[in-house]
Amino acid sequence: AQKVTQAQTEISVVEKEDVTLDCVYETRDTTYYLFWYKQPPSGELVFLIRRNSFDEQNEISGRYSWNFQKSTSSFNFTITASQVVDSAVYFCALSEETSGSRLTFGEGTQLTVNP
Amino acid sequence: EAQVTQNPRYLITVTGKKLTVTCSQNMNHEYMSWYRQDPGLGLRQIYYSMNVEVTDKGDVPEGYKVSRKEKRNFPLILESPSPNQTSLYFCASSYGGYPYGYTFGSGTRLTVV
Repeated sequence: AQKVTQAQTEISVVEKEDVTLDCVYETRDTTYYLFWYKQPPSGELVFLIRRNSFDEQNEISGRYSWNFQKSTSSFNFTITASQVVDSAVYFCALSEETSGSRLTFGEGTQLTVNP
Repeated sequence: EAQVTQNPRYLITVTGKKLTVTCSQNMNHEYMSWYRQDPGLGLRQIYYSMNVEVTDKGDVPEGYKVSRKEKRNFPLILESPSPNQTSLYFCASSYGGYPYGYTFGSGTRLTVV
């Protein structure tokens, strides 16, 4: 069965610090996709990134970067030089080829960036 | 603008009073799904639909009903709401489920007293 674990319930940093959000997943499929979503205080879910199981290249988008390591079943998310606007709940999610439409979410990590 | 629209945004109701949360998407997506979000549990899938008249249970379907009579609409029905259904609900749509991920609506915060 698929499972996603985000062990960090809450993280608090000071502006301009770098922060890494951890995501560990379990799956029996060889073909799957991993996602990160951001939920700001307003409540909506904002898609950040999608990564398939065959592409282990790290991804960088501005201050955001993602480190995908199949050997440790992890898909960690780093924010460089954090800003107050980064304060949100971040969710990691997994979709398996055999599970069709199901997107399994982790518990979420509440990130607070203090000025 | 491509979007998933769900209504209402906020709803307070009493135990046992039937309610419907509407969901509509304008992207001609095949897949639609309902999730509930609870603290410490992340988002859990309630029901999903792969096409018109095709629906199936997700992880937490008890106490909920859905229908998919038209491609764009996927309402969530609570026939007899109970306080344990107090939650934040999200409707979502997807071009093809795996591997495309979902576009989410803005959420409906439901309180059952």
